Amino acid sequence: GAVVSQHPSWVICKSGTSVKIECRSLDFQATTMFWYRQFPKQSLMLMATSNEGSKATYEQGVEKDKFLINHASLTLSTLTVTSAHPEDSSFYICSAPRQGVYAFFGQGTRLTVV
Amino acid sequence: DQQVKQNSPSLSVQEGRISILNCDYTNSMFDYFLWYKKYPAEGPTFLISISSIKDKNEDGRFTVFLNKSAKHLSLHIVPSQPGDSAVYFCAASALRDDKIIFGKGTRLHILP
Repeated sequence: GAVVSQHPSWVICKSGTSVKIECRSLDFQATTMFWYRQFPKQSLMLMATSNEGSKATYEQGVEKDKFLINHASLTLSTLTVTSAHPEDSSFYICSAPRQGVYAFFGQGTRLTVV
Repeated sequence: DQQVKQNSPSLSVQEGRISILNCDYTNSMFDYFLWYKKYPAEGPTFLISISSIKDKNEDGRFTVFLNKSAKHLSLHIVPSQPGDSAVYFCAASALRDDKIIFGKGTRLHILP
């Protein structure tokens, strides 16, 4: 069964609105979670590292004010896409390392901004 | 600057034959290399990994080979089965930060 649960699996929103995506580790605690983004036919690009109890670390080129990350507990990290635009439409995936580098991934969220 | 490269976007293999997926990397600081399998609209599923101190790891039909001097690794699937049709991502990680860096993926088609 899934050890990392991501919700929602898909969402359609209007341009200018904000969307929140949740990532939960189901049977283990994750002090660190990672958020990825995948464009069609492209690789999974690491967006940011979510750290429990502290600020997220963003990769170069990722707007921290647009992609708000909150890691309020040891089992939950959220990614909020603020003021979404059509170019933000993508597949977003979270992951949590359970045994060192053996990260488990959520099911992914397909975001479509219209 | 792409640290993990999969130069073949797709590969077709006859069922029952061996599938070989290749991957190159540039960062010699990587400690682990991983292969993930991904179906459309789903998250990646961990398949097999190899430590940088080893040159081979085998798990059932899947074997990963690592050539550190060439900064190259490959995933061998034998025999290939229809259910193996998916996108395979090569990935690398350094223990110091747990980040996983992915290649662009190779779409594997298993032909009947």
